[in-house]
Amino acid sequence: QQQVKQSPQSLIVQKGGISIINCAYENTAFDYFPWYQQFPGKGPALLIAIRPDVSEKKEGRFTISFNKSAKQFSLHIMDSQPGDSATYFCAAPPRDQAGTALIFGKGTTLSVSS
Amino acid sequence: EPEVTQTPSHQVTQMGQEVILRCVPISNHLYFYWYRQILGQKVEFLVSFYNNEISEKSEIFDDQFSVERPDGSNFTLKIRSTKLEDSAMYFCASSEQSGGVADTQYFGPGTRLTVL
Repeated sequence: QQQVKQSPQSLIVQKGGISIINCAYENTAFDYFPWYQQFPGKGPALLIAIRPDVSEKKEGRFTISFNKSAKQFSLHIMDSQPGDSATYFCAAPPRDQAGTALIFGKGTTLSVSS
Repeated sequence: EPEVTQTPSHQVTQMGQEVILRCVPISNHLYFYWYRQILGQKVEFLVSFYNNEISEKSEIFDDQFSVERPDGSNFTLKIRSTKLEDSAMYFCASSEQSGGVADTQYFGPGTRLTVL
């Protein structure tokens, strides 16, 4: 299976709250898990990425949690801010090799209300 | 900070016409990609390119599509005879070759293609 299933489709969070977006995959060959952030009219920009040799990676307010046995990974945004309002995509390459495609989830539209 | 650039930002064309979308990848990157995103949908892989040849392509990338690196800096996507369903945002991306494993792909701002 080459799919990456992302949920929820949309998310509304109060300023200062925690935003959590989940992704699940089936292909055990997936070995690199980036999250991309996209603002309207712009290209996806890498936010944070993880390899399965660690269960968690934190960069500032953004944390990826990875559960290899459950084949799930999630993005946590702590202290969510209105500037975080964007669409977030999880992705994975079907092969851990240079030049391979990224398979994207369907995206989560995050709105952070002030 | 180096970035991927794309031109034009918006292209309007008539059905059946040929279009060429242009990209300048990050200068020291060796892998180049095209993706598309139909409005409101997920980003879909089209093709990857390395060492002047296609490395990988998806089912979407049929005979109507072609890619080329005409010189040392540009990377182009040609659609020979556009269809209404080709209307989408087209993103170019590039990545370094990092030990042969999957690496960060950096995306350009996109070209919005509208086929009338």
